[in-house]
Amino acid sequence: DTGVSQDPRHKITKRGQNVTFRCDPISEHNRLYWYRQTLGQGPEFLTYFQNEAQLEKSRLLSDRFSAERPKGSFSTLEIQRTEQGDSAMYLCASSIGQGWNEQYFGPGTRLTVT
Amino acid sequence: GQQVMQIPQYQHVQEGEDFTTYCNSSTTLSNIQWYKQRPGGHPVFLIQLVKSGEVKKQKRLTFQFGEAKKNSSLHITATQTTDVGTYFCAGHKAGTALIFGKGTTLSVSS
Repeated sequence: DTGVSQDPRHKITKRGQNVTFRCDPISEHNRLYWYRQTLGQGPEFLTYFQNEAQLEKSRLLSDRFSAERPKGSFSTLEIQRTEQGDSAMYLCASSIGQGWNEQYFGPGTRLTVT
Repeated sequence: GQQVMQIPQYQHVQEGEDFTTYCNSSTTLSNIQWYKQRPGGHPVFLIQLVKSGEVKKQKRLTFQFGEAKKNSSLHITATQTTDVGTYFCAGHKAGTALIFGKGTTLSVSS
């Protein structure tokens, strides 16, 4: 399968714990995006990378969230001191090129904070 | 800030009926993309519109981008049960990220 993969697919954690998610984009894609989706909503942009550079981060994103893409391939999204409001589906997508082109989404990581 | 609104939120049709979802932006967009998300699935890209007044067709699906580049529509002719899912428009303006609407969820009964 050469699509976008995400790990884990499901994560249950207690409030206050840190969690880290991984995304492996399509191999030749230089752009990688993170979104959050809650029930009844569209994907909400969190941040994106072009190669290893993080070019934009949502102003609504808490400083408890951090993302990396150290070698311009896979990316990690870490949430520190999780809160119940962080419960959501975290989607990763990738695309090729310089603009906001067709994005290929992964299956997502569903986070539940208890 | 930039918002992308979609109506209706839900639509139920009988198989064979037509379906239309509308997308409106508060600001002029550089382009608009449409995605489909099946229940339990992830968004899948359908199409991108860039030019003012652009119309594109994919089999039974017709996509339009308004003259002012502030609105768009997706029309499905003769719906089938395989069309079930949530359809999202996502607008992009220069200097901003892609903004998704809340989606229109389509259900089809046979």
